[in-house]
Amino acid sequence: RKEVEQDPGPFNVPEGATVAFNCTYSNSASQSFFWYRQDCRKEPKLLMSVYSSGNEDGRFTAQLNRASQYISLLIRDSKLSDSATYLCVVNTAAGGFKTIFGAGTRLFVKA
Amino acid sequence: NAGVTQTPKFQVLKTGQSMTLQCAQDMNHNSMYWYRQDPGMGLRLIYYSASEGTTDKGEVPNGYNVSRLNKREFSLRLESAAPSQTSVYFCASSDRTGGNQPQHFGDGTRLSIL
Repeated sequence: RKEVEQDPGPFNVPEGATVAFNCTYSNSASQSFFWYRQDCRKEPKLLMSVYSSGNEDGRFTAQLNRASQYISLLIRDSKLSDSATYLCVVNTAAGGFKTIFGAGTRLFVKA
Repeated sequence: NAGVTQTPKFQVLKTGQSMTLQCAQDMNHNSMYWYRQDPGMGLRLIYYSASEGTTDKGEVPNGYNVSRLNKREFSLRLESAAPSQTSVYFCASSDRTGGNQPQHFGDGTRLSIL
């Protein structure tokens, strides 16, 4: 089992749709969580950190469920420019630092 | 607004050749990282440096060496390149390892080993 797992998609949605991605992690000692966005042949860019209480940034909402060991990303009112791969990232410090990237979920937003 | 700068952006090597990938950051970050990204897989950590003067192995260190030259620079060396090392390599930096510190990435080096 991978330490961080994401549905690879692709998710194909029309503009204006709401779409949600989940990411599960296996290490209960994981301490920090992020969503990154990666455009084709580009570097990953931080979309948002994920806090225990959940957090929102404009059209994007991130949630953390420590009991079930998953994080989620909700995108409301999808734009064409949201088309990208979304990477889930989990950091663990117990037993030495470790950062694990999910393989990513591909999103296509269509007009 | 340079952030993290990687050189070169593209490179083709023959099996057995050696090469050093360069990375520099201007954000005064303490921690730096090297990743590789292969199709269908997430980024995998090769080595990291929590602070100047320290380096540690990540998930896939075999076949690589690193040097934290100073606070700004962190290089990755392939001593004897193999086709399995064909990949896109990303360097990243963060204020420190762990905690809620996000990493900032360079725009990558595309390396092909023939």
